[in-house]
Amino acid sequence: EPEVTQTPSHQVTQMGQEVILRCVPISNHLYFYWYRQILGQKVEFLVSFYNNEISEKSEIFDDQFSVERPDGSNFTLKIRSTKLEDSAMYFCASSSGASYGYTFGSGTRLTVV
Amino acid sequence: AQSVTQPDIHITVSEGASLELRCNYSYGATPYLFWYVQSPGQGLQLLLKYFSGDTLVQGIKGFEAEFKRSQSSFNLRKPSVHWSDAAEYCCAVKEGGGADGLTFGKGTHLIIQP
Repeated sequence: EPEVTQTPSHQVTQMGQEVILRCVPISNHLYFYWYRQILGQKVEFLVSFYNNEISEKSEIFDDQFSVERPDGSNFTLKIRSTKLEDSAMYFCASSSGASYGYTFGSGTRLTVV
Repeated sequence: AQSVTQPDIHITVSEGASLELRCNYSYGATPYLFWYVQSPGQGLQLLLKYFSGDTLVQGIKGFEAEFKRSQSSFNLRKPSVHWSDAAEYCCAVKEGGGADGLTFGKGTHLIIQP
């Protein structure tokens, strides 16, 4: 069964450093998403990406965040200057269409120290 | 703004017993509704979804859910739980089609007693 692959599975970074989280969505999917889950809290939507541009973003997705699809397979989330409160599990998801389910990756656990 | 409420933070059931996990949503039109399961250290696995049509939907692992518009609910059920069903269950809603993100509930942690 096709999977969404996220790397790395764990990342520890110092406050103020830039991090890039990587995702390989399912190959024929068209919609791409990032979500985050702070420990003990609910999953929160960050951003959706379609046709090489951001479709929707939440209040969380401020100027510190950016997304990119640098080639035909990868989808990345960049945090420019990490803060302690950015520590969370970050999930990538993809979908083949608006009326279909979303396939999530296993997540990247980001710890900012 | 749409919201999802899962009123039960934890639920404990005995193995072999039936299960119902509650989910209520706040949204004007007919939303797209989802149930996901999350095991420790794992991603979110789709159990089932409702977009339109028959209000009783069947999912994987023997789960089903019923959409009740009058109650704004989408409760998840299973007639007989197995120890392997212990996990976090998350209800989510989406505003129709398009590239909108999902709004999740806080999740219900299911504990299975032997």
